[in-house]
Amino acid sequence: EAGVTQFPSHSVIEKGQTVTLRCDPISGHDNLYWYRRVMGKEIKFLLHFVKESKQDESGMPNNRFLAERTGGTYSTLKVQPAELEDSGVYFCASSQTRVVNTEAFFGQGTRLTVV
Amino acid sequence: AQKITQTQPGMFVQEKEAVTLDCTYDTSDQSYGLFWYKQPSSGEMIFLIYQGSYDEQNATEGRYSLNFQKARKSANLVISASQLGDSAMYFCAMRERVDSSYKLIFGSGTRLLVRP
Repeated sequence: EAGVTQFPSHSVIEKGQTVTLRCDPISGHDNLYWYRRVMGKEIKFLLHFVKESKQDESGMPNNRFLAERTGGTYSTLKVQPAELEDSGVYFCASSQTRVVNTEAFFGQGTRLTVV
Repeated sequence: AQKITQTQPGMFVQEKEAVTLDCTYDTSDQSYGLFWYKQPSSGEMIFLIYQGSYDEQNATEGRYSLNFQKARKSANLVISASQLGDSAMYFCAMRERVDSSYKLIFGSGTRLLVRP
């Protein structure tokens, strides 16, 4: 069974440009999460999808970030326009249920560098 | 709000010895879950072990065990017989419930280096 996959693994863009990150969850997992780790800080929650619906987007930093999950399969996270402080590693995770003891399976992350 | 604290930014351990990575948490919930993840240099986050707040026994998974002390709100990870491949970042996390949604709250991580 394929794990959570993220594309690209690395991205270097200039300030003001647009970047789109993609996440393919494990097949059959309704729950999809985006997290971010800014250099040297904690991993922070961004948002949670259940199928195609945004269940919780309280962690989205501002309106330059737009996440979608059309059809309830893969998800994209677009940053437009990118700022220097957006640099970090963006993780996607998926889980089968919302039961408290179900672990979330993470992708390898996308390392975003804004210069 | 829930919070996870990892007070050890870095740790060294000699190969084949045991090491304990500290994690304390703060929550007002009665039901919660605690997780440990490993992040090697390749970047992926690997689930290691889970402890439920109502579990009476400490969780174990191979060489990993979780020393769960509920009254002290600590969930330390114990790695026995350390191997060179255990060198990585280790994150403690708690699952927080917000309405009908769950999310993970992470600590700042501990970088473990296993010496040969």
